[in-house]
Amino acid sequence: DQQVKQNSPSLSVQEGRISILNCDYTNSMFDYFLWYKKYPAEGPTFLISISSIKDKNEDGRFTVFLNKSAKHLSLHIVPSQPGDSAVYFCAASHGYKLSFGAGTTVTVRA
Amino acid sequence: DVKVTQSSRYLVKRTGEKVFLECVQDMDHENMFWYRQDPGLGLRLIYFSYDVKMKEKGDIPEGYSVSREKKERFSLILESASTNQTSMYLCASSPGQGDQPQHFGDGTRLSIL
Repeated sequence: DQQVKQNSPSLSVQEGRISILNCDYTNSMFDYFLWYKKYPAEGPTFLISISSIKDKNEDGRFTVFLNKSAKHLSLHIVPSQPGDSAVYFCAASHGYKLSFGAGTTVTVRA
Repeated sequence: DVKVTQSSRYLVKRTGEKVFLECVQDMDHENMFWYRQDPGLGLRLIYFSYDVKMKEKGDIPEGYSVSREKKERFSLILESASTNQTSMYLCASSPGQGDQPQHFGDGTRLSIL
């Protein structure tokens, strides 16, 4: 049973606009949440993380929001750029283990 | 920069064969991981290791085993390959737990015929 869910398999956004990716989880023991980005034929690369005791973390164009009561997090990318076209995975950490969502494919249109 | 190297990008094997996937990391990380990635399922953890000669089962260990004889090397073994093990296999390493990000190799696309 998947403990981390990304319910939108794909997202299309115009260049310069905001991309919002969503993620839900079921296990309240998760202590960190991470986002990874993956281009075709490459391994995932770490993007940004947030501790379960925070509700927001920002790094340049990327901001992650955490709503613990709703067991929901989101990644905002603003402004979206063509190089942001990739698959984005949400992941949640408990100890050594990461649990991943199924991924959301983002396409940034010119 | 962390480098995780997987020995093969593409591999084709036959059912019943014993298959070895090799992974090497160059950053002296304590932890190493093997995942498989399938469409609609994301990355699923097969096995991980937090120290030399130590291993722990992940979420889908059936049909697989691992070996970690040296800190920098983590091998995934398919004891008797089956067609349902056709997948993308990803190796990762990390220095610790929690928000210490895992660093991934570029993957091995394994096809079992």
